[in-house]
Amino acid sequence: GAVVSQHPSRVICKSGTSVKIECRSLDFQATTMFWYRQFPKQSLMLMATSNEGSKATYEQGVEKDKFLINHASLTLSTLTVTSAHPEDSSFYICSARVVGINEQYFGPGTRLTVT
Amino acid sequence: KQEVTQIPAALSVPEGENLVLNCSFTDSAIYNLQWFRQDPGKGLTSLLLIQSSQREQTSGRLNASLDKSSGRSTLYIAASQPGDSATYLCAVNTDKLIFGTGTRLQVFP
Repeated sequence: GAVVSQHPSRVICKSGTSVKIECRSLDFQATTMFWYRQFPKQSLMLMATSNEGSKATYEQGVEKDKFLINHASLTLSTLTVTSAHPEDSSFYICSARVVGINEQYFGPGTRLTVT
Repeated sequence: KQEVTQIPAALSVPEGENLVLNCSFTDSAIYNLQWFRQDPGKGLTSLLLIQSSQREQTSGRLNASLDKSSGRSTLYIAASQPGDSATYLCAVNTDKLIFGTGTRLQVFP
């Protein structure tokens, strides 16, 4: 149980375009989902927290207009990187949490390369 | 502000050694602490989760301890194997996860 998927696993896009990453909880309902970014040989940094049906809460230094997060249902959250630039190239990982349980279940990650 | 540090940053050992990885955090007000493994280019694999009220957790060759008052956790790996080679991350849960800097482990035959 507690499986989280991400799609796509890898994506290459051109500078200036937008790309959407999906995060799904497959066998449970996730009231809260989290988005992390990981640069090469660095640790995970929390970007934002999203609760179903409400606006996401972004961490300091993360541009909310650039990284659009939508958590429209209890099983799906999406991260859209708008007007992508090469410096947005990174490994993006989502996680999901069930209400009342203080444990996050992680997706396999999405490798974004902006050329 | 919670800060999580892991020592050592990198470790290279021969197969069979017993290892200790260290994690320290600055704010003891945590719900739990979790250890993860990450293989190159891959996502996270959860290894052990210790609730704030617990002192240790064990799974196979892995044992994790937690001393919340001193802000420390250790991950003990017994009889290391080449397949243990990976980056190990600890994370403290304060309603959101704060990750440590990671320890890159290489176990050679």
